[in-house]
Amino acid sequence: GAVVSQHPSWVICKSGTSVKIECRSLDFQATTMFWYRQFPKQSLMLMATSNEGSKATYEQGVEKDKFLINHASLTLSTLTVTSAHPEDSSFYICSVPDRTDTQYFGPGTRLTVL
Amino acid sequence: QKEVEQDPGPLSVPEGAIVSLNCTYSNSAFQYFMWYRQYSRKGPELLMYTYSSGNKEDGRFTAQVDKSSKYISLFIRDSQPSDSATYLCAMSLYAGGTSYGKLTFGQGTILTVHP
Repeated sequence: GAVVSQHPSWVICKSGTSVKIECRSLDFQATTMFWYRQFPKQSLMLMATSNEGSKATYEQGVEKDKFLINHASLTLSTLTVTSAHPEDSSFYICSVPDRTDTQYFGPGTRLTVL
Repeated sequence: QKEVEQDPGPLSVPEGAIVSLNCTYSNSAFQYFMWYRQYSRKGPELLMYTYSSGNKEDGRFTAQVDKSSKYISLFIRDSQPSDSATYLCAMSLYAGGTSYGKLTFGQGTILTVHP
């Protein structure tokens, strides 16, 4: 299966600051990547679809000005949580689909906003 | 009603038991069915995927899809303590090609296999 990395794996920040999370596809190029959020003991909720060279597509209820997504290359997508607040504390996970539509997930980034 | 329903458990079984995990769904347009395993504080790991109704076996794992009943299952034979994790079913409207499908997940079932 595909290898997907995320950085950082864990971040703590103060309320009001911005945090950038990177998602890298290590062994194949990806024109599309997905960003999910997972609260404790809950399932994964899709936040947005990251598209290389174009704007991200956000799911209903997800604020695009708060969660900035940039898909600058075929192997890298970034999610920036702007002006983070404690309610943004969550586990953020990216996934990369291969040509069979199978999605491979990164190890996740745990964000804690104080 | 959620598109995908999965009993969150928790489910506790003795080592060696056969485990049955299930999901039901309401959208008959789903074509692609997956099972993921997620250990605590880790990203989901793909276990199995299938496009069609019927059974698919891989080692100790068997995935079963019944599209007529909108019901999927994952069976784990000879369960081991290392199988203890959260198991998530996921579904997609698309079946390959360049239209990458968004996944809809079940809530996840917490499984504990005790020695």
